[in-house]
Amino acid sequence: IQLTQSPSSLSASVGDRVTLSCQASQDINNHLNWYQQKPGKPPKLLIYDASNLETGVASRFSGSGSGTDFTFTISSLQPEDIGTYYCQQYGNLPPTFGGGTKVQI
Amino acid sequence: QVQLVESGGGLVKPGGSLRLSCAASGFTFSDYYMSWIRQAPGKGLEWISYISTRVNTMDYADSVKGRFTISRDNAQNSLFLQMDSLRAGDTAVYFCARMPGSRSLDWLGYFDYWGQGILVTVSS
Repeated sequence: IQLTQSPSSLSASVGDRVTLSCQASQDINNHLNWYQQKPGKPPKLLIYDASNLETGVASRFSGSGSGTDFTFTISSLQPEDIGTYYCQQYGNLPPTFGGGTKVQI
Repeated sequence: QVQLVESGGGLVKPGGSLRLSCAASGFTFSDYYMSWIRQAPGKGLEWISYISTRVNTMDYADSVKGRFTISRDNAQNSLFLQMDSLRAGDTAVYFCARMPGSRSLDWLGYFDYWGQGILVTVSS
């Protein structure tokens, strides 16, 4: 299954609401996760099963969607949120990742 | 706390071999499926292999099938990746990652802990 993320990059201001998109090539139900990766670091799980916030993750992050269209939202962008965000599906194995969205301030 | 530490990376010539290790601590290693995931320089993430808890099930991405072999030693809390017939396209940072499960599911579908990664460079 192919995951297409858009945009590939974006620049926003501190405090802005930021929305990222991930589109699957087939119906994956809600079997989609979101990760944040900062330069030189491993990815960090933020959202699992499309909309569930991982323990300890800031509440400004949220996810929604089902089927083929998914959205990841940062309600109020903070300086520490810069990085690349990846979606990952497990609705049809093997697991695959989207190409990422780079978020800049 | 959960820790995953990769080792064994480096520079290798095309056609050569390398064995990566991932030392796990802070959790009951034998209770978890484990994966290797790689990231080519400046590129996205690619899952390449997983292994079940009791080493009876494993799978590989088509890009590495027949060349890479995943294994684990539950007594030593270690995960391995034997990489043979290496190509320039295998150049990447390799991460080991934990695959959490539940009573009813072997894997919940996400990777909850990752190592820091180890660089493998395939070049003549």
